[in-house]
Amino acid sequence: EVQLVESGGGLVEPGRSLRLSCVGSGFTFRAYEMNWVRQAPGKGLEWLSYLSPSGDTVYYSDSVRGRFTISRDNAKNSLFLNMEGLRVDDTAVYYCARDRGSEASIGSSNYWGRGTLVTVSS
Amino acid sequence: QSVLTQPPSVSAAPGQTVTISCSGTTSSIGSNYISWYQQVPGTAPKLLFFDNDLRPSGIPHRFSASKSGTSATLTITGLHTEDAAYYYCQTWDSRLSVVVFGGGTNLAVL
Repeated sequence: EVQLVESGGGLVEPGRSLRLSCVGSGFTFRAYEMNWVRQAPGKGLEWLSYLSPSGDTVYYSDSVRGRFTISRDNAKNSLFLNMEGLRVDDTAVYYCARDRGSEASIGSSNYWGRGTLVTVSS
Repeated sequence: QSVLTQPPSVSAAPGQTVTISCSGTTSSIGSNYISWYQQVPGTAPKLLFFDNDLRPSGIPHRFSASKSGTSATLTITGLHTEDAAYYYCQTWDSRLSVVVFGGGTNLAVL
């Protein structure tokens, strides 16, 4: 059974940093593209970042480019999101999602974690 | 502001048919496959369709999807009360090199 489990969320002050992790199991993690998607309270889904299996292709949304960094450790079946300069409007549930791996539908994800809540507040 | 445009809400009675539209651009929907997701509040999104109109296993056949030009449509026939949820369209934007979601549509089954 494919599972994705996010961790690392919590309460953080504006301007601080946080690192989210996502551990995958039940599939060959190193073979799949991965995405981070977030959802602010009462709002819709917002894609943040995409990373290829080898880590050589990465994409970011305009809202996080330059502040957030996606990375992975295939030996540990783990995906990360390093978040710096956090703002109040970064408050959201952060999901990691396994991409289907189709070049013509980047971002299409058939497996999602349950998410981890990040609250940015003073 | 979402790059893909969806109606904020739709509603219909059980047993009826409802359509949810998703409008994009030539560089988004017009050039790439679209996916649809269903999300019950408090849970993770669930993939309903990929590659415009392909249904993952386990998705009921009362759900269908299509794409034409720069727009896409999700159709649910014979509505069930458990279909009440938020629905999102998604695709890749080749010009912007980003993944884009629609703003989401809240389906109420009255």
